[in-house]
Amino acid sequence: GQNIDQPTEMTATEGAIVQINCTYQTSGFNGLFWYQQHAGEAPTFLSYNVLDGLEEKGRFSSFLSRSKGYSYLLLKELQMKDSASYLCAVLNSGNTPLVFGKGTRLSVIA
Amino acid sequence: EAGVTQFPSHSVIEKGQTVTLRCDPISGHDNLYWYRRVMGKEIKFLLHFVKESKQDESGMPNNRFLAERTGGTYSTLKVQPAELEDSGVYFCASSQGSGTATYEQYFGPGTRLTVT
Repeated sequence: GQNIDQPTEMTATEGAIVQINCTYQTSGFNGLFWYQQHAGEAPTFLSYNVLDGLEEKGRFSSFLSRSKGYSYLLLKELQMKDSASYLCAVLNSGNTPLVFGKGTRLSVIA
Repeated sequence: EAGVTQFPSHSVIEKGQTVTLRCDPISGHDNLYWYRRVMGKEIKFLLHFVKESKQDESGMPNNRFLAERTGGTYSTLKVQPAELEDSGVYFCASSQGSGTATYEQYFGPGTRLTVT
């Protein structure tokens, strides 16, 4: 079977750093995506990792370890607008459908 | 460039009625996906089109669901007759064809379906 785990909820303070973890066991692997979703809106692409290591993009970074089946999304200098759900999703191969975790609801407080 | 659009944004229907959801992918995207999120659960795959052909429909829950993509442009997802458990948010996503580097899927805002 396929399984993707991430924490259900997290709370962090404005200006701080937060790390959202994701572990996966899937039948294939051709990359891991992180999406951000505000309530009632479309999930929007944040990052894609297919090789081990850290990818940095502004305040957001994403890390992947294929051998451990593990990824994290790191958000720095948190802003109130970062309050959203963060979805971890694995691509088994090519243009196949994404396999999603349940998402982590992040609340940024003052 | 316009993103993925879906219509309607919300639909409330009674059990036994029919509803048709529409998705307009990003122009030129060969791949079109339908997903569904039921309350409290993860987003789950329903169906994948490559152009007008059904590439994978292993996620369709039963034969009350019918998806089409005539002409390889927009797609419709019909639920007939609707049941209470069909309630949820239906997302559409599109991506470019093979040969791309990231396989990024662009999502629409979803259609929230409530069956009463």
